[in-house]
Amino acid sequence: DAGVTQSPTHLIKTRGQHVTLRCSPISGHKSVSWYQQVLGQGPQFIFQYYEKEERGRGNFPDRFSARQFPNYSSELNVNALLLGDSALYLCASSLVGVGTDTQYFGPGTRLTVL
Amino acid sequence: GQNIDQPTEMTATEGAIVQINCTYQTSGFNGLFWYQQHAGEAPTFLSYNVLDGLEEKGRFSSFLSRSKGYSYLLLKELQMKDSASYLCAVSTGGSYIPTFGRGTSLIVHP
Repeated sequence: DAGVTQSPTHLIKTRGQHVTLRCSPISGHKSVSWYQQVLGQGPQFIFQYYEKEERGRGNFPDRFSARQFPNYSSELNVNALLLGDSALYLCASSLVGVGTDTQYFGPGTRLTVL
Repeated sequence: GQNIDQPTEMTATEGAIVQINCTYQTSGFNGLFWYQQHAGEAPTFLSYNVLDGLEEKGRFSSFLSRSKGYSYLLLKELQMKDSASYLCAVSTGGSYIPTFGRGTSLIVHP
């Protein structure tokens, strides 16, 4: 079975631009979460979606938005990019996203903002 | 809010045993995860503790004390490939979204 996939692998943007990151969960998983990981830090929670509904949102500005599609894949959008948005963006999928549900991470998208 | 504390870096010798501690201060505790992350790669799941006590899984074991807000990951028979960052994550609240610590960078040397 394929694991969580993310695209693109790497991305270089300039300040003020917009970026869309994509994630496909493990087959059968209905919950997708997005995390931002800056070098030397643990992943910081951005969003969680379940059955196309936003279930949780972390402490990120409104420039960050996301959605989940009927096939449970997801997009993370970031507008008006800042230098500080440079990070590894991780997508994690889980069956339903609650309780003992384990999250499985994708390889991440490395975003560099110049 | 939540506060999760782990040592920044640890070193150990191949074949030895190492214990990585994690302390946390949270409300609405649901469970605690340990993940392994090699440089430049995604975190991979190691263990999940929801009740007090020790969970053993091969060379890796994880312990939880909810009353003390304390967990540790025990790695036995260390191998060079165990050199990685080890992330402690605590799940809280009704949505069970885990909060991650900064991670402990473990360096295993010959």
